Amino acid sequence: EPEVTQTPSHQVTQMGQEVILRCVPISNHLYFYWYRQILGQKVEFLVSFYNNEISEKSEIFDDQFSVERPDGSNFTLKIRSTKLEDSAMYFCASSESFGVGATYSNQPQHFGDGTRLSIL
Amino acid sequence: DAKTTQPNSMESNEEEPVHLPCNHSTISGTDYIHWYRQLPSQGPEYVIHGLTSNVNNRMASLAIAEDRKSSTLILHRATLRDAAVYYCILRDWNQGAQKLVFGQGTRLTINP
Repeated sequence: EPEVTQTPSHQVTQMGQEVILRCVPISNHLYFYWYRQILGQKVEFLVSFYNNEISEKSEIFDDQFSVERPDGSNFTLKIRSTKLEDSAMYFCASSESFGVGATYSNQPQHFGDGTRLSIL
Repeated sequence: DAKTTQPNSMESNEEEPVHLPCNHSTISGTDYIHWYRQLPSQGPEYVIHGLTSNVNNRMASLAIAEDRKSSTLILHRATLRDAAVYYCILRDWNQGAQKLVFGQGTRLTINP
């Protein structure tokens, strides 16, 4: 079964450094997401991306964050100047189609196994 | 977003059925009920969804109350691999492919 893959599985970075988290969504999927989960807390939405544009972002997704689909396969999350509180598991997800209506809205999101980001 | 309420934790025995409840008293007519689960050290995984009628798939069954204010995820014969956090999430079909809003979920422990 096709799956979402994320690299690296664990990233250790000094505070203030830039980090790029990489994701390869399922190949025929059109809608992409980033979520994060701080240790012991809920999974939180960061951003959704469709047609090379951000379609929605949360309050967490401030100016230090950016997303990009640099080619036809990768989807990246960049954190420009990392802070201690950015330490978390970051999950990428993708879904097959986009649109309003039951068929589109109920498409499952497929998640990767995450990148554990540790800021020192 | 309409809220869901789930017990923090539940425990069951291997090979027995498990019924995971979810209350969603403020559900709207356009909300579908979705269930995801998160196995240890993994990302969330889609389980099942439904609107009004009960639903079955290879992973589980979803029983939806007639007034839609509650639902129950049923694992017919739990295995150790079903130990996970289970999330009940409402998705408005009128809103497109929207974000998932996760609560704390129910942590299910399976005893051998």
